[in-house]
Amino acid sequence: NAGVTQTPKFQVLKTGQSMTLQCAQDMNHNSMYWYRQDPGMGLRLIYYSASEGTTDKGEVPNGYNVSRLNKREFSLRLESAAPSQTSVYFCASRRTGSHEQYFGPGTRLTVT
Amino acid sequence: QQQVKQSPQSLIVQKGGISIINCAYENTAFDYFPWYQQFPGKGPALLIAIRPDVSEKKEGRFTISFNKSAKQFSLHIMDSQPGDSATYFCEGTSYGKLTFGQGTILTVHP
Repeated sequence: NAGVTQTPKFQVLKTGQSMTLQCAQDMNHNSMYWYRQDPGMGLRLIYYSASEGTTDKGEVPNGYNVSRLNKREFSLRLESAAPSQTSVYFCASRRTGSHEQYFGPGTRLTVT
Repeated sequence: QQQVKQSPQSLIVQKGGISIINCAYENTAFDYFPWYQQFPGKGPALLIAIRPDVSEKKEGRFTISFNKSAKQFSLHIMDSQPGDSATYFCEGTSYGKLTFGQGTILTVHP
């Protein structure tokens, strides 16, 4: 049981490049989330998916898109990376009826 | 929009001491108040949580105190240990979505 996995662990992009962050969970959870973590800001919700086939914006969605590929996988795409998107990105999942979210190990992204 | 305010930003405690982290929230729709613990290079993990109809919850050395009228809650770590050194986040939950506080970096010196 791997829990929540994220790839890649580290990534460096140049301004304007695009990339997709991958997330998968093997706990059969319905809800999945993408957060970014910046110093002194806590974690801020980018997008979430309450169930397969649905996605909704969180607090800081600008510059990002998401795809809920199936129940297991939830990807985050940066179409044109900007230095302001330098951050650590966490994916999380949650079972319906529970408040607890399970987090992946994170992706550290640097945009130069 | 910061709906959960956490203090202090950093805290240094001697081994065996008491660590106290405070949070204040604005959103009265929050129905669950978890604390997450995060070690360097790892994702956050649930430590302890409380519902708003309870004033205190204790699990081992960790206690949450909740004051609904003041919209404040706090985490107390008794007999703090070097292994407790981590970043702690308070949160409010509404409709399954977490709103995080800014985090407190706790360092426990041996």
